[in-house]
Amino acid sequence: GEDVEQSLFLSVREGDSSVINCTYTDSSSTYLYWYKQEPGAGLQLLTYIFSNMDMKQDQRLTVLLNKKDKHLSLRIADTQTGDSAIYFCADLGNQGGKLIFGQGTELSVKP
Amino acid sequence: KAGVTQTPRYLIKTRGQQVTLSCSPISGHRSVSWYQQTPGQGLQFLFEYFSETQRNKGNFPGRFSGRQFSNSRSEMNVSTLELGDSALYLCASSFGTVSYEQYFGPGTRLTVT
Repeated sequence: GEDVEQSLFLSVREGDSSVINCTYTDSSSTYLYWYKQEPGAGLQLLTYIFSNMDMKQDQRLTVLLNKKDKHLSLRIADTQTGDSAIYFCADLGNQGGKLIFGQGTELSVKP
Repeated sequence: KAGVTQTPRYLIKTRGQQVTLSCSPISGHRSVSWYQQTPGQGLQFLFEYFSETQRNKGNFPGRFSGRQFSNSRSEMNVSTLELGDSALYLCASSFGTVSYEQYFGPGTRLTVT
């Protein structure tokens, strides 16, 4: 079945760029997403990219999609302590609204 | 515009009991999906409703069921609770027939003792 993989931890210094990576297996992916989850909270939709695009920029966030390698990345420029959270990559295949999530990457931003 | 709301936020139940969780989508949204989040299994899809019809279902036992009302509000029910059902249950709403922008609520934290 479909699978989404992410590294579990990333630690950066405040002001640096963060890059969170994700790989997926579903060749029928339509949209790919990045969600943010802070402690005790639900998921916040950060950004998403349609599968026929290779890049999307939204303020400090840049999403890169390599469809050939099934690789998605999220770059956060000028990372702040408020960006510390768990980031989930998700894949919307061709099964209606079913999102397949990765395990999440815990981003720690040190001052 | 108000976001997705879920009630209750926290719930403690005993094994063998049943529980009903509620989700009110963003105004105008017609699709509601439910997910279970646990430390061991991560985020897993339960089911999706659109216009009162279940459109998609994940790999959960029949103890997990849901429904959607004409105002798009949704409920999920878990019968004969097991310890392993302890989780954060998240609901997401989206606007149209293709649920490509899903907005999540804060979740209901269910603890089964």
